[in-house]
Amino acid sequence: VQLVQSGAEVKKPGASVKVSCKASGYSFSGFYIHWVRQAPGQGLEWLGWINPTSGGTLYAHNARARVTMTWDASIGAAYLELTGLIFDDTAIYYCTRKKALFLLTATDVNAFDYWGQGTLVTVSS
Amino acid sequence: DIVLTQSPGTLSLSPGDRATLSCRASQSVSGNTLAWYQQRPGQAPRLLMYDTSSRATGIPDRFRGSGSGTDFTLTISRLEPEDFAVYFCQQCNNSPMCSFGQGTKVEI
Repeated sequence: VQLVQSGAEVKKPGASVKVSCKASGYSFSGFYIHWVRQAPGQGLEWLGWINPTSGGTLYAHNARARVTMTWDASIGAAYLELTGLIFDDTAIYYCTRKKALFLLTATDVNAFDYWGQGTLVTVSS
Repeated sequence: DIVLTQSPGTLSLSPGDRATLSCRASQSVSGNTLAWYQQRPGQAPRLLMYDTSSRATGIPDRFRGSGSGTDFTLTISRLEPEDFAVYFCQQCNNSPMCSFGQGTKVEI
């Protein structure tokens, strides 16, 4: 299993950024891709998930106004787009996978078991 | 949404010591589906425990998770040098909205 993310980005306030996460080594159906960010020296903030099978999404309350998550089935990649960037969006953005709740069996891992390497997004004027 | 509060913020210990980390939820975590992650500097988080007490693949048995409802504990029985890191608890409830605790740093 591998989740490989795109490289670091530097953006100006008000701009948009799109981070990619290329998945491989497992069957995509049944595993949601979640996005988590970490501001410098801070904790982990969950942003939401996308279901690669249906394209359905669920965003955290404080992210839904500016976040869009998508999935490209042709190449097995998830994308996180963040618009209207502000200085506080400076963070490392991680993608991670988790099995869908309704598909879990007794032997499944019900947690974020594989993570991308992270993408640093810097918002600077 | 469930808020997870971890304590203490920092734990100063020595190799060979026992570490006890706490995670308290603002409401009951359904099915005790609480997980713990370890994060070393410059690395992505790594899954340690899931469903409160199940160790992830490759995690040594000096790591033990316990608890239920709203109170959960991660215990490291004998700290090894590589265990000095930041630890986060996490849950996804039935919504399923997910959340993380703010982290506990285990330092020498």
